[in-house]
Amino acid sequence: ELKVEQNPLFLSMQEGKNYTIYCNYSTTSDRLYWYRQDPGKSLESLFVLLSNGAVKQEGRLMASLDTKARLSTLHITAAVHDLSATYFCAVDPSQGGSEKLVFGKGTKLTVNP
Amino acid sequence: DTEVTQTPKHLVMGMTNKKSLKCEQHMGHRAMYWYKQKAKKPPELMFVYSYEKLSINESVPSRFSPECPNSSLLNLHLHALQPEDSALYLCASSRRLAGTNTDTQYFGPGTRLTVL
Repeated sequence: ELKVEQNPLFLSMQEGKNYTIYCNYSTTSDRLYWYRQDPGKSLESLFVLLSNGAVKQEGRLMASLDTKARLSTLHITAAVHDLSATYFCAVDPSQGGSEKLVFGKGTKLTVNP
Repeated sequence: DTEVTQTPKHLVMGMTNKKSLKCEQHMGHRAMYWYKQKAKKPPELMFVYSYEKLSINESVPSRFSPECPNSSLLNLHLHALQPEDSALYLCASSRRLAGTNTDTQYFGPGTRLTVL
């Protein structure tokens, strides 16, 4: 059974600082998603990572995937308050796309002014 | 356009009521999903429809009854719910790729359900 672990679960950081959120998973997968959720709101798709070594960047967020280490990272550069949210990684347990994603528990990020 | 819409936004119902949640997408996606999300938890998959047919039921109690009338619409019928069913109910949709493969799931804004 696929298990997905995110850490840290809570992250409080100052504006302007850098930090990384980690997503480890237990079985082979080559498709991983990152979502953002604001309090009381829905999930917003940030990135889909499809292969080993994939790297995607959008603004101050950069996501990468290492399928051999079964690890994805979400790196935050020069954090700003607007990035405060909960970030979920979700892993596709099959090869090439599945209806059934397995979500991590989420990382609640608070960026303090 | 990557929009999934859901109605109502908020719903309060008694344990003897019957109500329905509605989800709609016009992106041509042929996979649609219902998730339940409790506070401070990740979404939990409830049902998946693929080409308007139920393909996954995650052992959801029968007081939740999904329906997919056409490729754009997904309903969730609620009957005799319990207070512990109070949660955010999210609908999502995704493209179908070759075979059983699917693409990124796009989520609707959710319905905040309170059962009294």
